[in-house]
Amino acid sequence: AQSVSQHNHHVILSEAASLELGCNYSYGGTVNLFWYVQYPGQHLQLLLKYFSGDPLVKGIKGFEAEFIKSKFSFNLRKPSVQWSDTAEYFCAFDTGRRALTFGSGTRLQVQP
Amino acid sequence: EAGVAQSPRYKIIEKRQSVAFWCNPISGHATLYWYQQILGQGPKLLIQFQNNGVVDDSQLPKDRFSAERLKGVDSTLKIQPAKLEDSAVYLCASSRHPGTSGGVRNEQFFGPGTRLTVL
Repeated sequence: AQSVSQHNHHVILSEAASLELGCNYSYGGTVNLFWYVQYPGQHLQLLLKYFSGDPLVKGIKGFEAEFIKSKFSFNLRKPSVQWSDTAEYFCAFDTGRRALTFGSGTRLQVQP
Repeated sequence: EAGVAQSPRYKIIEKRQSVAFWCNPISGHATLYWYQQILGQGPKLLIQFQNNGVVDDSQLPKDRFSAERLKGVDSTLKIQPAKLEDSAVYLCASSRHPGTSGGVRNEQFFGPGTRLTVL
């Protein structure tokens, strides 16, 4: 069955610390990968996406993610977090014409 | 462009009652999705429409949930009768094309969701 594992459920960082959130997917074929963010009280928004090509993709607000096919991973990184990055982060993938399969999310709390 | 609209934003009902949620997708988006997000979990697909036809409803509990998308625009999701475990946020999303068949520009846009509490 298709699934996504996000190993960190709750992460607390101080401002300026570096961030890496883990994401592993389970699917035997080609996938398209996404990170979504949900700021407090707001809609789910797309942070970045990988379809093909360079496995290092850059998104909004200084976020980037690296696709490592051999590890079925798509980890999210940011070199220096800000208080405004406090949010819940969801990793997801799809396999073509179907809906997204989401992970359970990681709640990031950045302390000033 | 206007985003995905959903109503109501919040709903509290007793178990065994009925409830309906409404979604208006972004204009021109042929594909509409309903997801259920239980507290502490990621969204899970309930049903996917392409225009007014159902593409995938394999995860929809059909004994109590129903959905329709008349005229291929607005959609309604209904629960009848509700159970305690149906307490969740119900998200509607839309995209111009199904999945990623539209290429890198085909993004799913999410509405604000309806938070349902079943007592």
